[in-house]
Amino acid sequence: EAEVAQSPRYKITEKSQAVAFWCDPISGHATLYWYRQILGQGPELLVQFQDESVVDDSQLPKDRFSAERLKGVDSTLKIQPAELGDSAMYLCASSLRRGGGTDTQYFGPGTRLTVL
Amino acid sequence: AQSVTQPDIHITVSEGASLELRCNYSYGATPYLFWYVQSPGQGLQLLLKYFSGDTLVQGIKGFEAEFKRSQSSFNLRKPSVHWSDAAEYFCAVGEGGSYIPTFGRGTSLIVHP
Repeated sequence: EAEVAQSPRYKITEKSQAVAFWCDPISGHATLYWYRQILGQGPELLVQFQDESVVDDSQLPKDRFSAERLKGVDSTLKIQPAELGDSAMYLCASSLRRGGGTDTQYFGPGTRLTVL
Repeated sequence: AQSVTQPDIHITVSEGASLELRCNYSYGATPYLFWYVQSPGQGLQLLLKYFSGDTLVQGIKGFEAEFKRSQSSFNLRKPSVHWSDAAEYFCAVGEGGSYIPTFGRGTSLIVHP
């Protein structure tokens, strides 16, 4: 069964450093999502791509976070500089259709970020 | 704006006992409703979903959920819990038309032998 791949699985960094996370969605999935999950809470959407275009990044802290999906396949989420409050699980998900309606998301295993 | 409430932070059951996890939503129209499970250190796996039609939905791993519009609820049930069901369970509501789910804070299920 096809899966969403993420790397690294764990990342420890010091505050003010830059970090980057990578996601490879299920082949053929047009829509890609990045979520942040703080310990003890549910995931919160950071950014949604449809192919290479950003559909929704209203919750992305743009002063320090950036995301790209240049060829409409894999994606990178970057934080620069990292802050203590960025410690969380970063989840990537993908869905087949071009957004909306009854589409189902498939989640990757996540990247656990710890900022010291 | 849509929202989801999972009133129970932790639920403890004995193996073999029945399970019901509560979920209440706030949304004006008929929502898309989901239950996901997350094992420790893992991503989320979809258990089941409701979009329309039969209000009793069957999912994977023996789970089912019932949509009750009058109570704005979508409770998850399982008749007999296995130790491997211990995990975090998330209810989510998706807004129709532009699917972006809003997740509840989760319920942690603990299974005693």
